[in-house]
Amino acid sequence: EVQLVESGGGLVQPGRSLRLTCAASGFILDDNAMHWVRQPPGKGLEWVAGISWNSGSVEYADSVKGRFTISRDNARNTLYLKMNGLRREDTALYYCSRDMDRAAIPPSGYGLDVWGQGTTVTVSS
Amino acid sequence: EIVLTQSPATLSLSPGERATLSCRASQSVSTYLAWYRQKPGQAPRLLIYDASTRAAGLPGRFSGSGSGTDFTLTISSLDPEDFAVYYCQQRFNWPFTFGGGTKVEI
Repeated sequence: EVQLVESGGGLVQPGRSLRLTCAASGFILDDNAMHWVRQPPGKGLEWVAGISWNSGSVEYADSVKGRFTISRDNARNTLYLKMNGLRREDTALYYCSRDMDRAAIPPSGYGLDVWGQGTTVTVSS
Repeated sequence: EIVLTQSPATLSLSPGERATLSCRASQSVSTYLAWYRQKPGQAPRLLIYDASTRAAGLPGRFSGSGSGTDFTLTISSLDPEDFAVYYCQQRFNWPFTFGGGTKVEI
């Protein structure tokens, strides 16, 4: 079964750091680009970051640029999101998702076809 | 950044009725647009990519159309599981922005 399982969320104070992990199973991670998408409580989806199959292309939303780092370890079938300088507005459910495309370099006529169930990050003092 | 505006914000319909959802882009995205459905308490599910291509296993009642700046997701006959929130996402340029969503309610 193709599956993504996120972990690493929790309650953290403003300004602190957290690292999210997404474990992939049922498929070979280096066949696909990967993304992090977040959803604040009661709100819509926000794309956060994306990474190509070989880490050659990495992109971020302006809201997290310079604070978050997406990375991957294909040998471990794992995706990461290191979040530094957390702010209250980073509070959200964080999903990892698989891209149908290997590179996901725009323009890309594909979509995000596999999603995890998410891990919750709460930034509060 | 490309802004996607979805309308209406809420659509009130009955099972068996036809639903028409709109997504408008602030600049042309050609056909590089995807649609997702999110049921309460669940992760999103890919419905349509490349504006009109149905994802694997998707029932035929879903169809997507449009190009440039105006896109439509049509559900020909609403099933109870279709009462959910729908999002469009552009993949024409970074960042891969989402629209604000349309809630389809009974």
